[in-house]
Amino acid sequence: DIQMTQSPSSVSASVGQTVTITCRASQDVGGWLAWYQQRPGEAPNLLIYGASSLQSGVPSRFSGSGIGTEFTLTISSLEPEDKATYYCQQAKSFPRTFGQGTKVDIK
Amino acid sequence: QISLKESGPTLVRPTQTLTLTCTFSGFSLATPGVGVDFIRQTPGEALEWLGLIYWNDDKRYNPSLRSRLTLTKDTSKNQVVLTMTNMEPGDTATYYCAHTNIAAGGVLAAFDIWGQGTLVTVSS
Repeated sequence: DIQMTQSPSSVSASVGQTVTITCRASQDVGGWLAWYQQRPGEAPNLLIYGASSLQSGVPSRFSGSGIGTEFTLTISSLEPEDKATYYCQQAKSFPRTFGQGTKVDIK
Repeated sequence: QISLKESGPTLVRPTQTLTLTCTFSGFSLATPGVGVDFIRQTPGEALEWLGLIYWNDDKRYNPSLRSRLTLTKDTSKNQVVLTMTNMEPGDTATYYCAHTNIAAGGVLAAFDIWGQGTLVTVSS
């Protein structure tokens, strides 16, 4: 299985700041990487697919980059509604695997 | 507009078999490239992929659970059914089904629409 490791496990930032989350894969996944946002009590919501493609309807302050084994999710100009847990997921091979999550809190 | 909804028991006894139905609308499981995945989330919030059934009835399972899982589809009813045998307390989780698409122009096998999830508790 491909192991996905996210860092940090949690981050606290003020409204308007930029937050960066890193995801590392134990093997090359090319560009087959997705990012999800999960607010408390809700199902995960797709933000980014193909490592850098913004899903329809997702605010442009979310962006993804990377290829191979190292990926980044950036939230520019943090908003109060961005308080959530963020997960990366590889779609390169089976079984699909997720990172352990990064909790974003608002100061 | 695509939507999915999971249904099934909320409480299962140890050793019993869990049967979950994913009922969807807004897409057809006969369309090339389309698939429905099942994912679960433990109370500690870890996400675990369980399996996937494609439009052509190709199925993939998580090897760690392969012996216990079966996926079937009823295209005419817009439903996918997951059965998991020999349930144990460690299987307590929220179970989700999700839409995926591997066709060109799709979301590159990501899970673009999720159901609301259903909490299944395994306890005697």
